[in-house]
Amino acid sequence: KNEVEQSPQNLTAQEGEFITINCSYSVGISALHWLQQHPGGGIVSLFMLSSGKKKHGRLIATINIQEKHSSLHITASHPRDSAVYICAVLMDSNYQLIWGAGTKLIIKP
Amino acid sequence: ETGVTQTPRHLVMGMTNKKSLKCEQHLGHNAMYWYKQSAKKPLELMFVYSLEERVENNSVPSRFSPECPNSSHLFLHLHTLQPEDSALYLCASSQDLGQPQHFGDGTRLSIL
Repeated sequence: KNEVEQSPQNLTAQEGEFITINCSYSVGISALHWLQQHPGGGIVSLFMLSSGKKKHGRLIATINIQEKHSSLHITASHPRDSAVYICAVLMDSNYQLIWGAGTKLIIKP
Repeated sequence: ETGVTQTPRHLVMGMTNKKSLKCEQHLGHNAMYWYKQSAKKPLELMFVYSLEERVENNSVPSRFSPECPNSSHLFLHLHTLQPEDSALYLCASSQDLGQPQHFGDGTRLSIL
């Protein structure tokens, strides 16, 4: 079993839909990252959070430390949101990131 | 523009060639990282440098050789690679270890 599990692996939705991507982890962490990777490879960090909730534009990230679970929400989704969304946790024992396998999101117009 | 620049963007090489990947960061960060991303697999951490000292080498084959001449530049020297080394190689930097990482666009490497 991977230490970081994301679901779903693939998600296709219509423009405007509310999107939720989930991340569960099994190790002790000091922080959790949500990142976005567009076709072609570039990775952009969206959020780094260790508790509660953060919001940036149409993106919202939440984390529940007790349940070892985080969610990334996209409101009013748009085709330009199509990308792979990756969850990565920063272990509390060192500085290493443990990466999820990613969720491929496709938003259809 | 993330402040981390990788060159080349694409590289095709034979198994007997020697080439180098370059990463440059303009952010004043102290830590730099090399990752390998193979198809449908999570990113794999290869090397970590902090203040130009290597602090992590995750059982990477010796055909990959990193070099960090200063805190702004990181190289990955490649020689006698195998077809399974074909992947996207990503460079990242962070202010210090454990801080948010900024990624380059990656180098897409294909081994013939």
